Amino acid sequence: QSALTQPASVSGSPGQSITISCTGTSIDVGGYRYVSWYQQHPGKAPKLMIYDVSNRPSGVSNRFSGSKSGNTASLTISGLQAEDEADYYCSSYTSSSTPVVFGGGTKLTVL
Amino acid sequence: QVQLVESGGGLVKPGGSLRLSCAASGFTFNDYYMTWIRQAPGKGLEWVSYISRSGTTIYYADSVKGRFTISRDNAKNSLYLQMNSLRADDTAVYYCARDLGFRGAFYAFDNWGQGTMVTVSS
Repeated sequence: QSALTQPASVSGSPGQSITISCTGTSIDVGGYRYVSWYQQHPGKAPKLMIYDVSNRPSGVSNRFSGSKSGNTASLTISGLQAEDEADYYCSSYTSSSTPVVFGGGTKLTVL
Repeated sequence: QVQLVESGGGLVKPGGSLRLSCAASGFTFNDYYMTWIRQAPGKGLEWVSYISRSGTTIYYADSVKGRFTISRDNAKNSLYLQMNSLRADDTAVYYCARDLGFRGAFYAFDNWGQGTMVTVSS
């Protein structure tokens, strides 16, 4: 069982916005700003999309944004495009014995 | 540009050992924390192990603690994962990845290798 909880799937039509949630606890998501989001297309390595809750690495589209409220982080994708269809994973630093935990992943389908 | 290339994966019997390598190029290797992350077939990402710039600080997931050993050779720009007492549930693609932080840990991974497949089966 994953330490962070994500919905198994979300969907949206081209041009719409969607939000993926990532729920943890006060020892991970709620306690630190080290929340990241990754995009993974089938057969490919993950790609960092958001770090430190809301920062975008160079080259990532500004259609991707991140936020956090309490123990829940969120990834929002606006202006959905066909190429956004992928799996998305959140991760967080945790003060438990192991410093990094991932969410179970969310499959985004662009209708 | 930053490049990470894993090698060493393959088919191994339960209880066996493998040593994975990750060759880094395009950046100053000893300025960055490095990590191993794995993904079982059809499953999500699982963080495995983390090593600081000098190798003095190391973390392991509970699932591999006592069986896996992470190390690095900064002179060879290489990261390693020695895997012993392998089990069927260690079957996965193993990725090496670089921490985003320059000379510090951000616990976000901005560059990944292509992965190497490890299959544990009799």
